[in-house]
Amino acid sequence: RKEVEQDPGPFNVPEGATVAFNCTYSNSASQSFFWYRQDCRKEPKLLMSVYSSGNEDGRFTAQLNRASQYISLLIRDSKLSDSATYLCVVIVNNAGNMLTFGGGTRLMVKP
Amino acid sequence: DAGITQSPRHKVTETGTPVTLRCHQTENHRYMYWYRQDPGHGLRLIHYSYGVKDTDKGEVSDGYSVSRSKTEDFLLTLESATSSQTSVYFCAISAGAEAFFGQGTRLTVV
Repeated sequence: RKEVEQDPGPFNVPEGATVAFNCTYSNSASQSFFWYRQDCRKEPKLLMSVYSSGNEDGRFTAQLNRASQYISLLIRDSKLSDSATYLCVVIVNNAGNMLTFGGGTRLMVKP
Repeated sequence: DAGITQSPRHKVTETGTPVTLRCHQTENHRYMYWYRQDPGHGLRLIHYSYGVKDTDKGEVSDGYSVSRSKTEDFLLTLESATSSQTSVYFCAISAGAEAFFGQGTRLTVV
């Protein structure tokens, strides 16, 4: 079993739709969580951190469920420009701050 | 943008030749990473470093070696390139939380 797992998708949604991705992690000692966005043929870039209490940044909401060991990303009012691959990242701080990536979920927003 | 650059950006090499990719940072971050990205596999960690001369293996380290003789440089060497090492290689740096990535090196082994 992979340490961090994501549904690879693709998720095909129309503009304006709400879409949610989940990411599960296996190491209960995981302490830091992030969502990264990667555009085709580009490097990943930080989208947002995920805090225990949940956090929102405009149309994006991230949540953490420690009991079930998953994080989620909700995108409201999808835009064409949201089309990308979304990567879940976990840090287990007692493992030398090593970043562990999920395989990514591809989102395609259609007109 | 974080000061991280990779070189070369593109390379075509022949099977059996050694290849070295360079990652250079100007941020003085402690942690540096090399990943490869292939369709269907996402980002997979090859090696990482937690300081000068301190390195460790990731999940796909076979056929690769690394060196970090200075804080700012992390070198990835393919001892004898094989076609299975055709991939996009990303270097990343972090100081604890957020990671910053280089623009990637597209390596083709023919």
